[in-house]
Amino acid sequence: DADVTQTPRNRITKTGKRIMLECSQTKGHDRMYWYRQDPGLGLRLIYYSFDVKDINKGEISDGYSVSRQAQAKFSLSLESAIPNQTALYFCATSDFLGNEQFFGPGTRLTVL
Amino acid sequence: QQQVKQSPQSLIVQKGGISIINCAYENTAFDYFPWYQQFPGKGPALLIAIRPDVSEKKEGRFTISFNKSAKQFSLHIMDSQPGDSATYFCAASKSSNDYKLSFGAGTTVTVRA
Repeated sequence: DADVTQTPRNRITKTGKRIMLECSQTKGHDRMYWYRQDPGLGLRLIYYSFDVKDINKGEISDGYSVSRQAQAKFSLSLESAIPNQTALYFCATSDFLGNEQFFGPGTRLTVL
Repeated sequence: QQQVKQSPQSLIVQKGGISIINCAYENTAFDYFPWYQQFPGKGPALLIAIRPDVSEKKEGRFTISFNKSAKQFSLHIMDSQPGDSATYFCAASKSSNDYKLSFGAGTTVTVRA
């Protein structure tokens, strides 16, 4: 969905490197989320933000940090990447009701 | 520990057949149960959702059946088409917890022509 964009779409990096994944949205939503998808595990919530000043940890936040630069931008950082962070990462947004989330196209991250 | 258990992991169905995916949950505070559909290379998208005050919801060829006492819900895809080939995720959330979604592991559906 072009309303939620993620960059880069693919990234290969090495263990110990810092990497940032970026998400932008034009839907005007206040709520933004970061998930990782692994085969057999579904999608798991890393961090979420209900507005620019509100950031919360999800179920698997260890090893990750986020920044909400503006209503439309939410970045995910891996301070020191490790191989088990190899996964597909999705950004999502929702309005204040929260009951439908709109996902970006995903970033495939490989940590060697 | 997944709060929503989904099965099967994958299924193959012939065109025109019925696909059935099952999910179970433990947390009785969940009050919103969506299904998301994901095509290869794309992000998931909301397909259909149900609240526990009804036992069934139908949208076109897609039906959710909900059994509150058993804490189970399922997705039925009637007259399955090759274009339905995708990964399907069930999920659950609590309105009291701002609708944070807990996803199942996903089911890959392949519809053979």
